Amino acid sequence: NAGVTQTPKFRVLKTGQSMTLLCAQDMNHEYMYWYRQDPGMGLRLIHYSVGEGTTAKGEVPDGYNVSRLKKQNFLLGLESAAPSQTSVYFCASSFPGTSGGRYTDTQYFGPGTRLTVL
Amino acid sequence: LAKTTQPISMDSYEGQEVNITCSHNNIATNDYITWYQQFPSQGPRFIIQGYKTKVTNEVASLFIPADRKSSTLSLPRVSLSDTAVYYCLVSFRGGGYNKLIFGAGTRLAVHP
Repeated sequence: NAGVTQTPKFRVLKTGQSMTLLCAQDMNHEYMYWYRQDPGMGLRLIHYSVGEGTTAKGEVPDGYNVSRLKKQNFLLGLESAAPSQTSVYFCASSFPGTSGGRYTDTQYFGPGTRLTVL
Repeated sequence: LAKTTQPISMDSYEGQEVNITCSHNNIATNDYITWYQQFPSQGPRFIIQGYKTKVTNEVASLFIPADRKSSTLSLPRVSLSDTAVYYCLVSFRGGGYNKLIFGAGTRLAVHP
């Protein structure tokens, strides 16, 4: 199993350009997520999906769009890139479950995409 | 939302036990706590997860007091390879609702 893969690994954009980041998982996970990580800020959730065809906003969704047309893929789009979107983007997937009546979850992360917007 | 607070950095030496505490004062009834480890240029990796009391696996222990307003990750006998950033995550998932709050992380440096 490849686990969670992300494409591309690096990208440099000019302000105003658009691009799509691709996340793919081969673990048949229902849930998928996109995070951004900035120095000293930890991970912040951008958007997530609880199943094929569904998406929802996370903590910092502005300037991003997502789509989950296939269960194994989760796409993150930047329609008009801005320097503030320079960051490392991580995709993750998980399989929700229960333990003792409580919801449990383990996220598996991809290797990240380093994006620079000039 | 349940905000989490962790120490920014910690130092230790090989062979010592390391305890990293995460504060989550506003944790809700159904929130559970997960810890992740991240090495440079890699995505975070799951370490341990718990809801209350103590959980132990092959790499760490997680202590959660009765009021659940904090949790402590315990790494026994650390080695140089444990040098990484450790994140506390408080999350609730029920009925499709997701609430995921990562702490800013604790940078652990293990010295020879």
